[in-house]
Amino acid sequence: AQTVTQSQPEMSVQEAETVTLSCTYDTSESDYYLFWYKQPPSRQMILVIRQEAYKQQNATENRFSVNFQKAAKSFSLKISDSQLGDAAMYFCAYRSAGTGRRALTFGSGTRLQVQP
Amino acid sequence: GAGVSQSPSNKVTEKGKDVELRCDPISGHTALYWYRQSLGQGLEFLIYFQGNSAPDKSGLPSDRFSAERTGGSVSTLTIQRTQQEDSAVYLCASSSYHTGISGNTIYFGEGSWLTVV
Repeated sequence: AQTVTQSQPEMSVQEAETVTLSCTYDTSESDYYLFWYKQPPSRQMILVIRQEAYKQQNATENRFSVNFQKAAKSFSLKISDSQLGDAAMYFCAYRSAGTGRRALTFGSGTRLQVQP
Repeated sequence: GAGVSQSPSNKVTEKGKDVELRCDPISGHTALYWYRQSLGQGLEFLIYFQGNSAPDKSGLPSDRFSAERTGGSVSTLTIQRTQQEDSAVYLCASSSYHTGISGNTIYFGEGSWLTVV
């Protein structure tokens, strides 16, 4: 079974600075997808960024980028020029590309605080 | 619809009562998921529907929990004889069933907050 680990329960960053959230995962599969979701106090899970395992190029979405290290099974999220609206819980998630378990497996989350 | 729609947004119920939570997935999405998130916790997988295939019920915590999906679209999660430990946010999500990352991206609704008193 796949597992996702987020080792930082809480992180804090100054507005306009850069912060990196860590995520590692364990799998025996070679083809899969990785995601970062943001959950503000409104509770809705909002997709931040996604990565296909067979693509070596790191995904980027505006101020958000990932550092995907397939051999190390690491998928960290970098937020540049942090804004107050970035404050939220961030969840890393794994999804198999195969025909087995198709639901997302989530990490335990990292709470990000942004200081003005 | 444009997004995943869930109702009710909030529900307070007495211990022992049955509750039904509804989810309307994104139009055209064949896959539908239910997750539970207790206060301050991560997301716990409950059940997964894909088209006409038998659902993956491996995450349902007890036989008090059940879900159905009618017509391949709307889903209802039913909790019978509710207990206080059932208090949580119940999140529904959907995805299409195409290859590539677009077909494998899961979109969530705003959740139904259940409080059992």
